[in-house]
Amino acid sequence: NAGVTQTPKFRILKIGQSMTLQCTQDMNHNYMYWYRQDPGMGLKLIYYSVGAGITDKGEVPNGYNVSRSTTEDFPLRLELAAPSQTSVYFCASRPGLAGGSGELFFGEGSRLTVL
Amino acid sequence: TQLLEQSPQFLSIQEGENLTVYCNSSSVFSSLQWYRQEPGEGPVLLVTVVTGGEVKKLKRLTFQFGDARKDSSLHITAAQPGDTGLYLCAGARNTNAGKSTFGDGTTLTVKP
Repeated sequence: NAGVTQTPKFRILKIGQSMTLQCTQDMNHNYMYWYRQDPGMGLKLIYYSVGAGITDKGEVPNGYNVSRSTTEDFPLRLELAAPSQTSVYFCASRPGLAGGSGELFFGEGSRLTVL
Repeated sequence: TQLLEQSPQFLSIQEGENLTVYCNSSSVFSSLQWYRQEPGEGPVLLVTVVTGGEVKKLKRLTFQFGDARKDSSLHITAAQPGDTGLYLCAGARNTNAGKSTFGDGTTLTVKP
C-alpha cells in the first residue's frame, strides 16, 4: 500500500511565487491534516479536513489555503510565498474518531525553501 | 492552545546508557502517541497508550501513560546508536476533529 503520498519532495520558490503541495492517501481515511515542521521542532497544524468538502484552520493557517474535493486528495496551496514559509511540510491522515487509536499516518514530507 | 511540553529537548549519551524522555500537559487526552522521526522522513508510530496508568514495552523501550492521562514517559534501556533520532509525543482526542497536539520533540544522539 502506498499510504500517504506527497509531492514534490523538494522545491525552491522565490518570494511572491505560489505553489501547491499535493497529498493523496489510499486508505479511505476521512481525516486529513497538514503540518509544518521547523528544524529540530515539533509539528504545527496548518489546516485539517474531516471529510470531502469540509476544511478548517489549524494553529498556523496564515498564508495557506486548502481544498478537499475528494476523500483521497488534500492539496495545500501557498499564495505569495514568504521566507517564513521555509519549512518541511507533512501531510497526515487518520481513519476518523470512531476508528483507530489516534495514530496519524504521515507522508514523507515536502521540503520547501523560499528565497 | 493546549500544549505538550517535552523534555529534555536534546540528549546525547553513550551506547549502553539508559534514558528517559518526558511529555507533560495540563490537558487530558483520549490517547497519546510516541513517534520516532529520522532525518528526511515523516514520523513513524512507536506506540499508542490509551488507558491511564498503562505501561507498554517495545523491546528496550518502555512507555508509560500517567494515571490522569495528561503525561507520559519513554524510557530506553541500554541505548544503541540505532536509537538516534527525534522522538515526538502527541496527544490525540476523539473530539474536535481528532486533532493531535505535538510536543517539540527530543533529539537523541547515541554515541558508539
